[in-house]
Amino acid sequence: ELKVEQNPLFLSMQEGKNYTIYCNYSTTSDRLYWYRQDPGKSLESLFVLLSNGAVKQEGRLMASLDTKARLSTLHITAAVHDLSATYFCAVDFGNEKLTFGTGTRLTIIP
Amino acid sequence: DTGVSQDPRHKITKRGQNVTFRCDPISEHNRLYWYRQTLGQGPEFLTYFQNEAQLEKSRLLSDRFSAERPKGSFSTLEIQRTEQGDSAMYLCASSAIRTATEAFFGQGTRLTVV
Repeated sequence: ELKVEQNPLFLSMQEGKNYTIYCNYSTTSDRLYWYRQDPGKSLESLFVLLSNGAVKQEGRLMASLDTKARLSTLHITAAVHDLSATYFCAVDFGNEKLTFGTGTRLTIIP
Repeated sequence: DTGVSQDPRHKITKRGQNVTFRCDPISEHNRLYWYRQTLGQGPEFLTYFQNEAQLEKSRLLSDRFSAERPKGSFSTLEIQRTEQGDSAMYLCASSAIRTATEAFFGQGTRLTVV
């Protein structure tokens, strides 16, 4: 079965702290995407990771991909309130579509 | 180019009615996807088109659901005889063939069946 699991599902963190969201997937893939979703809104593309060892950074967010471990991480540095949202990873298992994780709802507390 | 456009943004319908949603993809994109997202869950794949051809349909897409993409441009998703379980956000996404699943999502249509 093609599965994508994220943890934690819920994350409440203080402003200024660092944390990591994990995305594990069930079988071989070298295409993984991270999206952000605000309440009631659609998905905003954050990162596209297309090879083992890929690392992308944008502002306070950094994403990486380890295809051998079937693991991607989304690292948040010095969190600010504007980063509060739900974050999804999505995997292309070579079947022409995306399989999404259940999402991590991130709340940044002042 | 204004990105992927979906219409309507919100739809409230009574159980048993038919509804139709429209998606206009990014103009140069050959692929168009429909996903469904229920509250607290990640999006789930429903179907996708390459140009005008519907290449795959999920088991989630019952006989009450039909999607079309005439002329390979905009797409419509119709739900017949709606049920309360159809209440969800319906998301459309498009991509270019060369970048496959690197998809850009529209704003979604939120369906509420009462």
